Amino acid sequence: DQQVKQNSPSLSVQEGRISILNCDYTNSMFDYFLWYKKYPAEGPTFLISISSIKDKNEDGRFTVFLNKSAKHLSLHIVPSQPGDSAVYFCAAMSLYNFNKFYFGSGTKLNVKP
Amino acid sequence: DAGVTQSPTHLIKTRGQHVTLRCSPISGHKSVSWYQQVLGQGPQFIFQYYEKEERGRGNFPDRFSARQFPNYSSELNVNALLLGDSALYLCASQRGRSSDTQYFGPGTRLTVL
Repeated sequence: DQQVKQNSPSLSVQEGRISILNCDYTNSMFDYFLWYKKYPAEGPTFLISISSIKDKNEDGRFTVFLNKSAKHLSLHIVPSQPGDSAVYFCAAMSLYNFNKFYFGSGTKLNVKP
Repeated sequence: DAGVTQSPTHLIKTRGQHVTLRCSPISGHKSVSWYQQVLGQGPQFIFQYYEKEERGRGNFPDRFSARQFPNYSSELNVNALLLGDSALYLCASQRGRSSDTQYFGPGTRLTVL
């Protein structure tokens, strides 16, 4: 059961432009969401998170938007840099069951110089 | 401070064999989670251990087991290996049990022939 979905396996963006990565979830019990970045041969690295009591969280060039009614979240990277090229995973969990994190299948972002 | 460490880096086994993977969390972190990442998919939750007790389990068969030691390091054991067990096994550590950020190790690449 794929409770967290990233429907775009890859995304290519020009340096300096905005990258928008999307994520959908099905479980209405999820109330905490995270984005991770993964480089080859490394484990995922935490990027940014958002609680369901918010609809936006910003950290530097990274902003996560949450639309609870649509069960959709997105990660915006502005401006995109070549070093942002990596696989991005969204993850979700329920604070009532915080032992389990559910991950999407990832989106490979390529930022072209 | 050292991050999450995992050993070995790579492992090749044959069907029916048994494997033990090891993880050392970040100093001060008491929670360890294990994930399986099959090629092209996101990490799938296997187990979480906190204070040496299993606190969460994903949808994996009983061939998968784990334990956590007094120093909070952990082992993941897989018996009767199948070809489908070939994957990257990731370990993540957290300070506690809550929605604390998970810090991932580089993973162990297991190949079952």
